[in-house]
Amino acid sequence: DVKVTQSSRYLVKRTGEKVFLECVQDMDHENMFWYRQDPGLGLRLIYFSYDVKMKEKGDIPEGYSVSREKKERFSLILESASTNQTSMYLCASSFDRDGISNTEAFFGQGTRLTVV
Amino acid sequence: LAKTTQPISMDSYEGQEVNITCSHNNIATNDYITWYQQFPSQGPRFIIQGYKTKVTNEVASLFIPADRKSSTLSLPRVSLSDTAVYYCLVGELGSNYQLIWGAGTKLIIKP
Repeated sequence: DVKVTQSSRYLVKRTGEKVFLECVQDMDHENMFWYRQDPGLGLRLIYFSYDVKMKEKGDIPEGYSVSREKKERFSLILESASTNQTSMYLCASSFDRDGISNTEAFFGQGTRLTVV
Repeated sequence: LAKTTQPISMDSYEGQEVNITCSHNNIATNDYITWYQQFPSQGPRFIIQGYKTKVTNEVASLFIPADRKSSTLSLPRVSLSDTAVYYCLVGELGSNYQLIWGAGTKLIIKP
């Protein structure tokens, strides 16, 4: 089974702190994603990466950055956490099929981040 | 702007067939349609994906009409454990990526 592992289930951080959310996948997937999920707003894509050291902005990249130094690991960085970044953060990965990226993604369990 | 629209909630009973429809009027030529299931405190789980006509797997069927402006997820003979939120996703990850998620349909199955 594909496994996408997020380093923490729950985090509490203070305003202004630098926060790292780590995600590891074990299926050699090319694509990795970071989403946030908020009640009433559904899933919103923050960043995705289709290869090592490559990244693409999603719909809401402001206030976030990412790092993908190894194929299996994708990190989300909150440079200076703010209360409006309190949310559920979901990491996902997907493979390329026949040279075409696809949207069949495997998600981690999520990290519930609270910024106080 | 591309958008996906699905009902906010639905109720059904054990043993019934449940159909959830997603509207995506502005679907692009290269877009796939993907459905996910999510339980509380878990990440979404892939159910089924299609491009056109009908796709069936061991848990669901996906019906896509010729114009592809909507799609219907069909869950046969639901059980209490199918109570979850179901998301429709339209998009693709090519050079002009777009991933448009619906707001989710909360499905409640009653005994």
